[in-house]
Amino acid sequence: AQSVTQLDSQVPVFEEAPVELRCNYSSSVSVYLFWYVQYPNQGLQLLLKYLSGSTLVKGINGFEAEFNKSQTSFHLRKPSVHISDTAEYFCAATLTGTASKLTFGTGTRLQVTL
Amino acid sequence: DAGVIQSPRHEVTEMGQEVTLRCKPISGHNSLFWYRQTMMRGLELLIYFNNNVPIDDSGMPEDRFSAKMPNASFSTLKIQPSEPRDSAVYFCASRLGQGANTGELFFGEGSRLTVL
Repeated sequence: AQSVTQLDSQVPVFEEAPVELRCNYSSSVSVYLFWYVQYPNQGLQLLLKYLSGSTLVKGINGFEAEFNKSQTSFHLRKPSVHISDTAEYFCAATLTGTASKLTFGTGTRLQVTL
Repeated sequence: DAGVIQSPRHEVTEMGQEVTLRCKPISGHNSLFWYRQTMMRGLELLIYFNNNVPIDDSGMPEDRFSAKMPNASFSTLKIQPSEPRDSAVYFCASRLGQGANTGELFFGEGSRLTVL
């Protein structure tokens, strides 16, 4: 069975500093990978996704992620964060060629302060 | 586009009562998912439908939980009888296609359930 691990439950960072949120997956087959963001009292919305092709994926709000097959990782990065980026971030994965079951990590709370 | 619409947004009920959560997916989407979010267990997939047919309900915790999708524009998640440990935020999500590479998963704003 596949699983998604987010190593950090909380990441505090100052505004305009860079940030990396870590995600590792375990699967014996190829996967599709996603990052979602959840703002307080809202549902999740897609930040970016990796399906195939270039391993560096760019998403909304200046975020990007890099797929590393050898390390089974899909870390999320942003070179300069804003207060408005404060939210919960979820990494998710699903097996390629399957009907669609998406498995989420436990989430990382990004707290941006002045 | 109205997005995925869930109701009620908040529900407080007493143990033993029946709870029905409702979801209207985005028009034209043919995959629908029910997730449960708690602090302890994070986001758990309960069940998903493709073209109104339940495909995988292995995440449904027990027989007290049931889900239906009578048509392409409506789904319900029912808990009967409810228990305090069912307290959580329940999310409905929909997607245009069946495979994970067919499009983005759109989430509703969730239904926060509190069982006393």
